[in-house]
Amino acid sequence: QKEVEQNSGPLSVPEGAIASLNCTYSDRGSQSFFWYRQYSGKSPELIMFIYSNGDKEDGRFTAQLNKASQYVSLLIRDSQPSDSATYLCAVRDDRGSTLGRLYFGRGTQLTVWP
Amino acid sequence: DGGITQSPKYLFRKEGQNVTLSCEQNLNHDAMYWYRQDPGQGLRLIYYSQIVNDFQKGDIAEGYSVSREKKESFPLTVTSAQKNPTAFYLCASRPTGGAQPQHFGDGTRLSIL
Repeated sequence: QKEVEQNSGPLSVPEGAIASLNCTYSDRGSQSFFWYRQYSGKSPELIMFIYSNGDKEDGRFTAQLNKASQYVSLLIRDSQPSDSATYLCAVRDDRGSTLGRLYFGRGTQLTVWP
Repeated sequence: DGGITQSPKYLFRKEGQNVTLSCEQNLNHDAMYWYRQDPGQGLRLIYYSQIVNDFQKGDIAEGYSVSREKKESFPLTVTSAQKNPTAFYLCASRPTGGAQPQHFGDGTRLSIL
């Protein structure tokens, strides 16, 4: 079973700060990595995905991937109260018969206080 | 509008009853997935399908069944064999070509009466 581990939190940051969310994974052959945001009672929505080592930026969000360390992170700059949600890390198996299935971490709950 | 539609939004099951959750997509996606989410937990894969008339068990398939007779539809039946069905059920889909991500429907919340 492929493991995806996230700090369960809760993580609490003040408005305007940088929130850092971390995720590690067990399968060294994993190739695709995703961050979903889930508001309470709602379904997950995709906010970032990354395939290559290094950083990928999209607005206030930056995903960082280090395949050698089996580590992927999400940075949220200038955090807003509307960013308060649970953030789910997912790793995809792109090989063989299980092509396309995701393995999810349990999520990190983020609270941004005004 | 293109998207993934799950129905109903809320569903109640009596003891010994089978219930079916609907998932329809008009995105022309080949692959579809069913997940279960329990409070404070991540998503666990129940079943997935990469093509019409074919599907595979995920990690927690016991007590569930699916069909994929049409590309647009992937209904999930929660049978009476599933002893703890209370959960939030999420359907997702994606194109199989390339490295496209999965997107989710709005979910169905199932409770036991």
